[in-house]
Amino acid sequence: GAVVSQHPSWVICKSGTSVKIECRSLDFQATTMFWYRQFPKQSLMLMATSNEGSKATYEQGVEKDKFLINHASLTLSTLTVTSAHPEDSSFYICSASRAPSGNTIYFGEGSWLTVV
Amino acid sequence: GESVGLHLPTLSVQEGDNSIINCAYSNSASDYFIWYKQESGKGPQFIIDIRSNMDKRQGQRVTVLLNKTVKHLSLQIAATQPGDSAVYFCAETGTASKLTFGTGTRLQVTL
Repeated sequence: GAVVSQHPSWVICKSGTSVKIECRSLDFQATTMFWYRQFPKQSLMLMATSNEGSKATYEQGVEKDKFLINHASLTLSTLTVTSAHPEDSSFYICSASRAPSGNTIYFGEGSWLTVV
Repeated sequence: GESVGLHLPTLSVQEGDNSIINCAYSNSASDYFIWYKQESGKGPQFIIDIRSNMDKRQGQRVTVLLNKTVKHLSLQIAATQPGDSAVYFCAETGTASKLTFGTGTRLQVTL
């Protein structure tokens, strides 16, 4: 079956540094990938929509200069948290939509980010 | 019974009983609905989905009911097992696979 892989599964970084999280669709091409953030005991909140070959679309309240998204190929999207702060510590999850089926959505296992 | 935690409501059921988890969705234009199960520290796991042209869909031990009139979705789990303990989210989408998640319900299965 379809698999979406995230890397790293967890990362600890120092405040002020940047960290990159990768989201890969392993056996299908994903025209669209989505990045979510989830704080403990809360639901998933969509951060941005990543479209292959074009700029990401950010949700209201999400700083595009802080959360850089690059979708350079049909199997890879990256989220870079720039100048990370402790309040950015969260569980980041990506999902991918299989082309051309559209509504078939697969989630990655998530990446835990802790900023110290 | 049900209780409201700090952020997630919790449903406690005994092993073997049936569970019903409810969700109210917000967008009347949504035409595709999905239930996900999330275990601690993991990404969401697909359980079952339903399109807006249906009002009921059954899977293995799970049934999803959709009431578009009142914008309500429910997930029924038959013969609940300890492995069903997790947080359950409903999600809705209209176009472009952009999901909006509900607040989630924690299911606790007691022995």
